[in-house]
Amino acid sequence: QVQLVESGGGVVQPGRSLRLSCAASGFTFSSYGMHWVRQAPGKGLEWVAVISYDGGTKYYADSVKGRFTISRDNSKNTLYLQMNSLRADDTAVYYCAKCFSEGGCGHGGFDYWGQGTLVTVSS
Amino acid sequence: IQLTQSPSSLSASVGDRVTITCRASQGITSYLAWYQQKPGKAPKLLIYAASTLQSGVPSRFSGSGSGTDFTLTISSLQPEDFATYYCQQLNSYPRTFGQGTKVEIK
Repeated sequence: QVQLVESGGGVVQPGRSLRLSCAASGFTFSSYGMHWVRQAPGKGLEWVAVISYDGGTKYYADSVKGRFTISRDNSKNTLYLQMNSLRADDTAVYYCAKCFSEGGCGHGGFDYWGQGTLVTVSS
Repeated sequence: IQLTQSPSSLSASVGDRVTITCRASQGITSYLAWYQQKPGKAPKLLIYAASTLQSGVPSRFSGSGSGTDFTLTISSLQPEDFATYYCQQLNSYPRTFGQGTKVEIK
């Protein structure tokens, strides 16, 4: 069965960096685009970034553009989110999520999500 | 593209018919999904392409709409349906979500 397991969250000071990982199993990882979505405590969902199945195409939310970098290692079935220059408003649970459609993400939803990893930015 | 859900919250009883609306700031054809989220859990995909039920989702859930106005309907609310529901547009990036609708027990 499809499994997505995030790791790498924790408490970090403002201005510092953190790298999140998402280990995928149960599907052909290299065939699917992947997303990061975050949720601040008590708030709604915020889409963060997407990467195509081959890593060749990436898009970011304006709120993280220039600070966060999404990447993937298809040989390790792992998705990453490098977060630099962290701010207090980056505090959230970060979820990785799988594109519904094989190949390009297209216009389908996110059919599988990880359990999330909490990032707290605080001095 | 901004998505506005209404209401932000509602109270309903088991067996009630519940309708949640999602309005997009510009046309998104049928590129809309609905998710259910329970406290402390990841969101779950319910409906994609505005009206297609995801595999394994009970048939009491249905979606409709196109263009800018969309609806999620729960035909007969069950105890396990008390949760927060989000719409998401899949027409363009960024893939924005609505602000959520919390369905509570009356």
